[in-house]
Amino acid sequence: SQQGEEDPQALSIQEGENATMNCSYKTSINNLQWYRQNSGRGLVHLILIRSNEREKHSGRLRVTLDTSKKSSSLLITASRAADTASYFCATPPLGTSYGKLTFGQGTILTVHP
Amino acid sequence: EAGVAQSPRYKIIEKRQSVAFWCNPISGHATLYWYQQILGQGPKLLIQFQNNGVVDDSQLPKDRFSAERLKGVDSTLKIQPAKLEDSAVYLCASSLGTGGPYEQYFGPGTRLTVT
Repeated sequence: SQQGEEDPQALSIQEGENATMNCSYKTSINNLQWYRQNSGRGLVHLILIRSNEREKHSGRLRVTLDTSKKSSSLLITASRAADTASYFCATPPLGTSYGKLTFGQGTILTVHP
Repeated sequence: EAGVAQSPRYKIIEKRQSVAFWCNPISGHATLYWYQQILGQGPKLLIQFQNNGVVDDSQLPKDRFSAERLKGVDSTLKIQPAKLEDSAVYLCASSLGTGGPYEQYFGPGTRLTVT
């Protein structure tokens, strides 16, 4: 069964703009991770946020987590054409192995030069 | 640091044939995962190994899929017999362990086409 769902399914922006993607999940979690997938580099881990954290930054990425709403968001600031990719949130449901990630269907981000 | 290696990169077989995929994780990573990613969907975990033991295989179709990690290092995933719906990318990933939340490192995947 699907734990996380990303929204929107597709997002198209111009270079330099910010991109925001959202993830909602169904059951309580210990942590939530964001991954990026493109044809060049495959599936790559971006950031991990634990359930006791509300916000985390990594370079141009900002992730928030609201456990009361069971939702997370990924913000990419000053986007570049190289950010074009599919973005997935993934969580291990509470009570399962930390490694048992359940991925959503992803948001397809297109950044136009 | 070498990444996760997988082979072959592409495979085309007919339905009812068998196929095997190989994965070599990052050195020192105790945990190894196999995922199936169907076009347009996110990856789905098939099986998780901790060293050479199975941690979770609840989503592995055991009537046709099997996997092993004999010496706690590399792993093979086999499908026998293949069905049309097995057409997908098979991703292998590894992480340091399962004692805490760790990021997973993914290989390039094997694209399987069943005709």
